[in-house]
Amino acid sequence: DSGVTQTPKHLITATGQRVTLRCSPRSGDLSVYWYQQSLDQGLQFLIQYYNGEERAKGNILERFSAQQFPDLHSELNLSSLELGDSALYFCASSRGELAGTSYNEQFFGPGTRLTVL
Amino acid sequence: KNEVEQSPQNLTAQEGEFITINCSYSVGISALHWLQQHPGGGIVSLFMLSSGKKKHGRLIATINIQEKHSSLHITASHPRDSAVYICAVREGYGGATNKLIFGTGTLLAVQP
Repeated sequence: DSGVTQTPKHLITATGQRVTLRCSPRSGDLSVYWYQQSLDQGLQFLIQYYNGEERAKGNILERFSAQQFPDLHSELNLSSLELGDSALYFCASSRGELAGTSYNEQFFGPGTRLTVL
Repeated sequence: KNEVEQSPQNLTAQEGEFITINCSYSVGISALHWLQQHPGGGIVSLFMLSSGKKKHGRLIATINIQEKHSSLHITASHPRDSAVYICAVREGYGGATNKLIFGTGTLLAVQP
């Protein structure tokens, strides 16, 4: 158990809908990262937050948005869902934001499996 | 060409064999991660390396920064080691971002 929690575990919805995925980081971790894992694209970095502020953006679609709240939990909002958005969405957390140190090892949550029908 | 390449893509071994998975990357990095993903989907971080070698139990990870190459070794492999092993690099030096770029993974099956 990494200490990172994600809800829900599974989500089945229809095209055009909007969903919210939730992530609670490990106690004491200030950074939260979101990743998407699909069959054709593999794992891709979406976005990083540190202590409530956006720090880095990857291949995140405009239909997707995220935020990190004062209690450090994060939500990933996916709207106007398409069939191709079906994937595993992982959240990870780390203690700080500085790269290249053991202080910033990332710990992954169990993931949310999103199925868009 | 992917920025992070892993080989082999698939590997089948007999229990007890010594296993090596390779990772090559083409970007400047501050750290490299080895991750394990079991069939259920969960991802576990095995190692984070910025130089040299790390060992944890039967797992050993090495990195050569000059050659932009890392290897993950499993000694005395066991069926419970069956999983996808993913190499990921943290792009850039210092700074305030920990963006990871992932390899496509190596599917390892260890047969009893």
